[in-house]
Amino acid sequence: GENVEQHPSTLSVQEGDSAVIKCTYSDSASNYFPWYKQELGKRPQLIIDIRSNVGEKKDQRIAVTLNKTAKHFSLHITETQPEDSAVYFCAASIGGSNYKLTFGKGTLLTVNP
Amino acid sequence: NAGVTQTPKFRVLKTGQSMTLLCAQDMNHEYMYWYRQDPGMGLRLIHYSVGEGTTAKGEVPDGYNVSRLKKQNFLLGLESAAPSQTSVYFCASRGGGNYPQETQYFGPGTRLLVL
Repeated sequence: GENVEQHPSTLSVQEGDSAVIKCTYSDSASNYFPWYKQELGKRPQLIIDIRSNVGEKKDQRIAVTLNKTAKHFSLHITETQPEDSAVYFCAASIGGSNYKLTFGKGTLLTVNP
Repeated sequence: NAGVTQTPKFRVLKTGQSMTLLCAQDMNHEYMYWYRQDPGMGLRLIHYSVGEGTTAKGEVPDGYNVSRLKKQNFLLGLESAAPSQTSVYFCASRGGGNYPQETQYFGPGTRLLVL
């Protein structure tokens, strides 16, 4: 089945710096890659996603890039703020279907004021 | 529009007891999911449903059963709880079809402690 590796497991940055989280996946048939943010004690919420026919997508301070050849995708957060502190999960659709996801193990991002 | 709701929010069980977790969604979504979240393990799929009356096994189905008798509800059952089932359980749902209906919306979670 699909395997998603996520790095780093923890990341600490200063406010205003950029943060990058990387994920690799194993199934070349995967075609949908969402990123979720989970604040402490809260539910995971989608922050951005990308499909395999697109190489990059941006939404204000957040961007995701996808390299299908290398089977990896990354989350980029610019101008980080303390409220960006949370656990971030990447995920990849399983096989050619898009209704099941495999999640990475998460990255705890801490933004220090 | 409440989205995805879960009951109960928190429960303590003794080993061997049974319980049912209820997930409800009011978005008319086709697909529903049960995940468990353990420290350092991310979200792991237990069971899922692609429509009313259907269920299928996910990555970690052992010790759990599910039912989807109504489109808006997805029940997760533990017949004989074990300490290894101590976890936070999240339900999620999404619409049918392709992008942008692929987004999975999560419930607030149920924290379960098995003693």
